[in-house]
Amino acid sequence: NAGVTQTPKFQVLKTGQSMTLQCAQDMNHEYMSWYRQDPGMGLRLIHYSVGAGITDQGEVPNGYNVSRSTTEDFPLRLLSAAPSQTSVYFCASSYSAGGYQPQHFGDGTRLSIL
Amino acid sequence: RKEVEQDPGPFNVPEGATVAFNCTYSNSASQSFFWYRQDCRKEPKLLMSVYSSGNEDGRFTAQLNRASQYISLLIRDSKLSDSATYLCGESNNNDMRFGAGTRLTVKP
Repeated sequence: NAGVTQTPKFQVLKTGQSMTLQCAQDMNHEYMSWYRQDPGMGLRLIHYSVGAGITDQGEVPNGYNVSRSTTEDFPLRLLSAAPSQTSVYFCASSYSAGGYQPQHFGDGTRLSIL
Repeated sequence: RKEVEQDPGPFNVPEGATVAFNCTYSNSASQSFFWYRQDCRKEPKLLMSVYSSGNEDGRFTAQLNRASQYISLLIRDSKLSDSATYLCGESNNNDMRFGAGTRLTVKP
């Protein structure tokens, strides 16, 4: 009963480094998404996917790439880390696209960019 | 302009009190609405979906007012364990937006 699994839980990067945040779900959910959460800003949608091979941009996509080669996995890539990307990142999934299903969240990745 | 607005609080209430939160949204095409609970340094967890007719789950009641574009959450008989941040979410197709959250502290 793993649900949504995110790795790593904590990461410190230097400016300019790249890295991939991993997200996997075992619930056969079609829809997956990435959010960042900053103090006073709430959750902001970065990218989302409505199924394998299909991704789209959310509210704050700049500096991030995603891909969805399988139903289970939805990695988020930081191309060249910047201090402004210091945040808590949450991956979420729901049974179907279309917005009617609530999302289930992973327990987050806390990322610091120095 | 932020699409989903919440009073950040904090709301400090005694045990047993009734407390209500509102959340306004700007997108009239929004289709679905949710309340999530988030504990400190934890992930958001679904508290309840919000239906047009209003819905209740134990001590929690959620209501939707499409004409005025807001949703509300009422917590009756507050418990210490209700202390958390409450996030409202609204969804239109594949795009789900959240408010910044309202912080509730229930005190003995």
